[in-house]
Amino acid sequence: ELKVEQNPLFLSMQEGKNYTIYCNYSTTSDRLYWYRQDPGKSLESLFVLLSNGAVKQEGRLMASLDTKARLSTLHITAAVHDLSATYFCAGNTGTASKLTFGTGTRLQVTL
Amino acid sequence: DAGVIQSPRHEVTEMGQEVTLRCKPISGHDYLFWYRQTMMRGLELLIYFNNNVPIDDSGMPEDRFSAKMPNASFSTLKIQPSEPRDSAVYFCASSLAGTSGNGIQYFGAGTRLSVL
Repeated sequence: ELKVEQNPLFLSMQEGKNYTIYCNYSTTSDRLYWYRQDPGKSLESLFVLLSNGAVKQEGRLMASLDTKARLSTLHITAAVHDLSATYFCAGNTGTASKLTFGTGTRLQVTL
Repeated sequence: DAGVIQSPRHEVTEMGQEVTLRCKPISGHDYLFWYRQTMMRGLELLIYFNNNVPIDDSGMPEDRFSAKMPNASFSTLKIQPSEPRDSAVYFCASSLAGTSGNGIQYFGAGTRLSVL
């Protein structure tokens, strides 16, 4: 059974700083997904990483995947307040479309 | 496409009452998922369907919960009778798998259920 762990669970950072959220998973996962959830809102897809070494970037967020280490990272560059949200990673196994979500990382960017 | 549409957005009911949550997936998607989110338990997968057929309902907490997908454009999640511990936000999501899709799940806005 796939298990997905994120750390940290909570991250408070100042505007302008860089930081990384880590996502470890227990067994082989074909794909790795990152989602964002604003308070009181739904989950929004950010990235899907399809193969080892994949890197995707959107604005100040960059996600990467290392399937050998079973690790994905979400790097935040020069954080701004608008990035405050909870970030989830999720993996799947085999051909199943079922995703296993991590517990989420609540990011708070302070002015 | 309008995305995944859920109704109602908010539901307040009394313990013992029946509650029905509704979901319209994105047209053409072949997977539909029901999740529940609470502060204590996080995001939990309750059940999912492929081409309208339930595939895995192991996350359904009790017999009080049931889900149906009578056609490709509609699904319901029913709780009967409801209890205060069922209070949560219920999300529906859909995805397109296989060679045509990348498996991204698109989430609806959710239904916030409060059982008094």
